[in-house]
Amino acid sequence: DTGVSQDPRHKITKRGQNVTFRCDPISEHNRLYWYRQTLGQGPEFLTYFQNEAQLEKSRLLSDRFSAERPKGSFSTLEIQRTEQGDSAMYLCASSFREGWGEQYFGPGTRLTVT
Amino acid sequence: GQQLNQSPQSMFIQEGEDVSMNCTSSSIFNTWLWYKQDPGEGPVLLIALYKAGELTSNGRLTAQFGITRKDSFLNISASIPSDVGIYFCAGQASNTGNQFYFGTGTSLTVIP
Repeated sequence: DTGVSQDPRHKITKRGQNVTFRCDPISEHNRLYWYRQTLGQGPEFLTYFQNEAQLEKSRLLSDRFSAERPKGSFSTLEIQRTEQGDSAMYLCASSFREGWGEQYFGPGTRLTVT
Repeated sequence: GQQLNQSPQSMFIQEGEDVSMNCTSSSIFNTWLWYKQDPGEGPVLLIALYKAGELTSNGRLTAQFGITRKDSFLNISASIPSDVGIYFCAGQASNTGNQFYFGTGTSLTVIP
């Protein structure tokens, strides 16, 4: 068990560019979540998958954001036409199928939009 | 969304002291989680609580699920320098789409 991994750890991009982040959950976990965290705040829920199905999306997830989990294993989060307000830490978490409890987080991807 | 009020916002304590922090919500929650986050890292799960009144320990950490189901408490006994970090509570209510809501965190500084 290597834990939840995320790639890249840091990303600097210019406004208007597209970025994609990857998350690899703990292998036996089939629920995967994306959160966004800004400085001084707790993580905010964006979306979650059970296997390959995206079951819930937050209103925070604008049309410029899209997430996929094509084979029910790793997931990607893409942000199109980035804006400076997208600068944040993007966190991925995974959990067992039974219930939402005990979510284990990855180290996060720090996005800076210049 | 749900508002979770976490207090205190920050604490400065001497090594060896005990620490108490709490989290309150405007809604009834079914699950409470407590996390610790170091700068530049993801939150690390400390304790999970699933029943009102439940008291659970993890080493020097003890957390309780409030009887009203609208609050939770975390205590750290005999603090040590590595306890430094930001502690977050997270709660889940079944009537809000099952997502977890996080508090704004309690920043803990331990003075050796």
